Amino acid sequence: TQLLEQSPQFLSIQEGENLTVYCNSSSVFSSLQWYRQEPGEGPVLLVTVVTGGEVKKLKRLTFQFGDARKDSSLHITAAQPGDTGLYLCAGENWGGGNKLTFGTGTQLKVEL
Amino acid sequence: EAQVTQNPRYLITVTGKKLTVTCSQNMNHEYMSWYRQDPGLGLRQIYYSMNVEVTDKGDVPEGYKVSRKEKRNFPLILESPSPNQTSLYFCASSLKPGPRSYGYTFGSGTRLTVV
Repeated sequence: TQLLEQSPQFLSIQEGENLTVYCNSSSVFSSLQWYRQEPGEGPVLLVTVVTGGEVKKLKRLTFQFGDARKDSSLHITAAQPGDTGLYLCAGENWGGGNKLTFGTGTQLKVEL
Repeated sequence: EAQVTQNPRYLITVTGKKLTVTCSQNMNHEYMSWYRQDPGLGLRQIYYSMNVEVTDKGDVPEGYKVSRKEKRNFPLILESPSPNQTSLYFCASSLKPGPRSYGYTFGSGTRLTVV
């Protein structure tokens, strides 16, 4: 069974601070996806990274896929209260069911 | 609007009473999947479907059934619900998982309580 460990599990910061969330596994994935989930709603896709070492930016969010395609990170610059939510990484393996394995999640709270 | 629609959003039922949670997508996606989300356990896959009439078990399929008779619909069936199936359920779809995948679109969820 493939596992994805996220750290930290909880993060409470002040507006304007920077933060990094890590997603680690001992398994190789074909792609790594990041989602954000609001209470009572379904996860919403933020980004998909496919190539080892790939870096993608989405405004103040920077996503990186590890060279070995086993880990990923999400960096938020100058966090805002609107960034509050549950961040989930998910690894996908193409072929044989294309299963999406979710990480344990990072609950982020950004306060004024 | 491109979306995955689940119904109902909330459901309280009694042990043993068969129920169906519907899921429909309007994006012509080939791949559909069901997940349950529980505190401390995260999102776990129940069943998935690669295309019409093609379904397979995920990580936690016990007590659930699915069918994929049409491309757009993927209902989740609980033949005899039990309290341990109390959970938040999500349906998700994807165009075609693989190098050209744009990720998954999730429904808004169904909160099921079995008493």
